[in-house]
Amino acid sequence: KNEVEQSPQNLTAQEGEFITINCSYSVGISALHWLQQHPGGGIVSLFMLSSGKKKHGRLIATINIQEKHSSLHITASHPRDSAVYICAVKKKGGGGSQGNLIFGKGTKLSVKP
Amino acid sequence: DTGVSQDPRHKITKRGQNVTFRCDPISEHNRLYWYRQTLGQGPEFLTYFQNEAQLEKSRLLSDRFSAERPKGSFSTLEIQRTEQGDSAMYLCASSFDRVVTGELFFGEGSRLTVL
Repeated sequence: KNEVEQSPQNLTAQEGEFITINCSYSVGISALHWLQQHPGGGIVSLFMLSSGKKKHGRLIATINIQEKHSSLHITASHPRDSAVYICAVKKKGGGGSQGNLIFGKGTKLSVKP
Repeated sequence: DTGVSQDPRHKITKRGQNVTFRCDPISEHNRLYWYRQTLGQGPEFLTYFQNEAQLEKSRLLSDRFSAERPKGSFSTLEIQRTEQGDSAMYLCASSFDRVVTGELFFGEGSRLTVL
C-alpha cells in the first residue's frame, strides 16, 4: 500500500461545479503540499500546510492531522483548472528524511465547458 | 529571477550514452531537490542538497546517477550509460528552509527519452 493515496484517480466535472480531491497518508508528517501539474510537465505549488485550512482564490485546502487526511476543493470550476493535482507529504523526523517528499499518483481533473 | 529553470527541456539519446541535466534554482534558495516522474505516476524523490552538501540520496539513484551542486547554486544530474528504463521526466525543485519548511518551487522539467 502506498504511503500517500489520492482519490479519485480521474475526475470529470462540468464548468461551475464544486470539486473535491482527497488525500490520505499513513505516516507522520511535518507538512503536506498540494501541487498542480499541467500537460507538458510543469508543477506549481498550490498550498503547503501543516494544520487547519488555507484559501487562495477559488482553491481551499484543509488538513486533519488526527485523521491523516487532506482535501483540496475548487469552487466554481473552470476549464483552465484542468490539470493533474498531486498531494505530497514531508515525513516527520530528522536526519535523512528531511528532503524526502512522498507523492501521491495524482488526480487528473478535466473540467468541461 | 523568474523561478527554477532546467536545461535541456527535452533530450533524446541512444542507449549507452551519457546525459547531463542542469537546474538553476531560485537564487536565495538553500535547498535543491531532484525528482523523477514516469508516465501516469507521481514524482519520486532522487536526491537533495542543502547548499553544496548532498544530504540524502534515494535508493533509486543507482551508481550510474550522480548529482552535484558545486557552489551551492546550480546543480547537475548526470546519468551514465543510459538505459531505456531511465526514460522519464526529471524535475528539479528548490526551497528556502530555515527553522520552518519552505514552499517548493519546481522547474518545468527535463524529459529524457532513451532509444
